[in-house]
Amino acid sequence: GAVVSQHPSRVICKSGTSVKIECRSLDFQATTMFWYRQFPKQSLMLMATSNEGSKATYEQGVEKDKFLINHASLTLSTLTVTSAHPEDSSFYICSARNRGGQPQHFGDGTRLSIL
Amino acid sequence: DAKTTQPNSMESNEEEPVHLPCNHSTISGTDYIHWYRQLPSQGPEYVIHGLTSNVNNRMASLAIAEDRKSSTLILHRATLRDAAVYYCILRTNYGGSQGNLIFGKGTKLSVKP
Repeated sequence: GAVVSQHPSRVICKSGTSVKIECRSLDFQATTMFWYRQFPKQSLMLMATSNEGSKATYEQGVEKDKFLINHASLTLSTLTVTSAHPEDSSFYICSARNRGGQPQHFGDGTRLSIL
Repeated sequence: DAKTTQPNSMESNEEEPVHLPCNHSTISGTDYIHWYRQLPSQGPEYVIHGLTSNVNNRMASLAIAEDRKSSTLILHRATLRDAAVYYCILRTNYGGSQGNLIFGKGTKLSVKP
């Protein structure tokens, strides 16, 4: 079946560091990719949606200068958390879907811990 | 996207069927009913989706009420690996336009050996 690969699975770094997370669709062309964030014991919250070659659309309350999203190809999207602080510690999950209306598939998430 | 209502938690015994309910009384005609599940420390996994007719796949069955205001995810024989949070989500999908998946709190399913 369709597979979405997310890397790295876990990051621990110091406050002020910028962290890049990669999301790849391995066997389909992802015309749209999504980034979610999940805090402990809470549900997934959509952060932004990106279409290949276009600027990302951010949900209300999500800082676009803080969370940089690049979707340069049909198989790769990246999320960069700039100047991360402890409150940015969370579980970040990417998702992808193609144009054909097939189900949306998710990566295994990246657990980000900022010290 | 329309809202869904699910019980916070359910318990099941291993190897018994499980019926997970979902209410979506404000569903529109173009909303598909999607089910995903999330195991601990993993991303959500697609389970099944449908529009009007009941659907079956290797993972589960989806029973949709005739008025589409509710649906039930059926796991025919629960295993310990089915313990997860199950999300029922409505998503518009018509023509070339597809809505976003917006997650609610879901139902946390516990499976007892």
